[in-house]
Amino acid sequence: EDQVTQSPEALRLQEGESSSLNCSYTVSGLRGLFWYRQDPGKGPEFLFTLYSAGEEKEKERLKATLTKKESFLHITAPKPEDSATYLCAVQAWYSGGGADGLTFGKGTHLIIQP
Amino acid sequence: ETGVTQTPRHLVMGMTNKKSLKCEQHLGHNAMYWYKQSAKKPLELMFVYNFKEQTENNSVPSRFSPECPNSSHLFLHLHTLQPEDSALYLCASSRGGDREDEQFFGPGTRLTVL
Repeated sequence: EDQVTQSPEALRLQEGESSSLNCSYTVSGLRGLFWYRQDPGKGPEFLFTLYSAGEEKEKERLKATLTKKESFLHITAPKPEDSATYLCAVQAWYSGGGADGLTFGKGTHLIIQP
Repeated sequence: ETGVTQTPRHLVMGMTNKKSLKCEQHLGHNAMYWYKQSAKKPLELMFVYNFKEQTENNSVPSRFSPECPNSSHLFLHLHTLQPEDSALYLCASSRGGDREDEQFFGPGTRLTVL
């Protein structure tokens, strides 16, 4: 059974204080690891997909990295508008390249204080 | 309309009512998904459709009945629900069939069962 564990559950930072969010996973054949951002009352917003160990992707103040067991979302010099819940999900190769559902973690609730 | 839209955004129903949730994607995707998001729990996959065919039912009770008339529209028919079914119901779509299969989510329908 695929599993995703995110830590910490909640994180409060001062504006400009860099940090990292962790996503540990077990999956039977990783097709992709996804990071999403979710604001209250809204659907998840796609951020990154990572496919293989050693891969890195960046977008503004966010950088995602991947190893064979975990992924990190690094937030550099965050601003209050970065406050949100960050979700990690994995997708396995179940349908031979068709459509496969995602297995999500519980998320990290990030608050950036001015 | 762009992206993935869902209607209604909020729904309150009694345990004996019958209602339907609607999802429409404007991205030209072939795969569509239903997820359930309950408080304190990770997003849970419910159903997967690829090219209008149901490819996954994640042990969902029969009081939830999906329908996918074409690749752009997805419905979730609800009947005889329980209070524990109250949650945010999220629809997503993806290209399907490729390694790169990012899923894009709609805003969700907040369902309350009385």
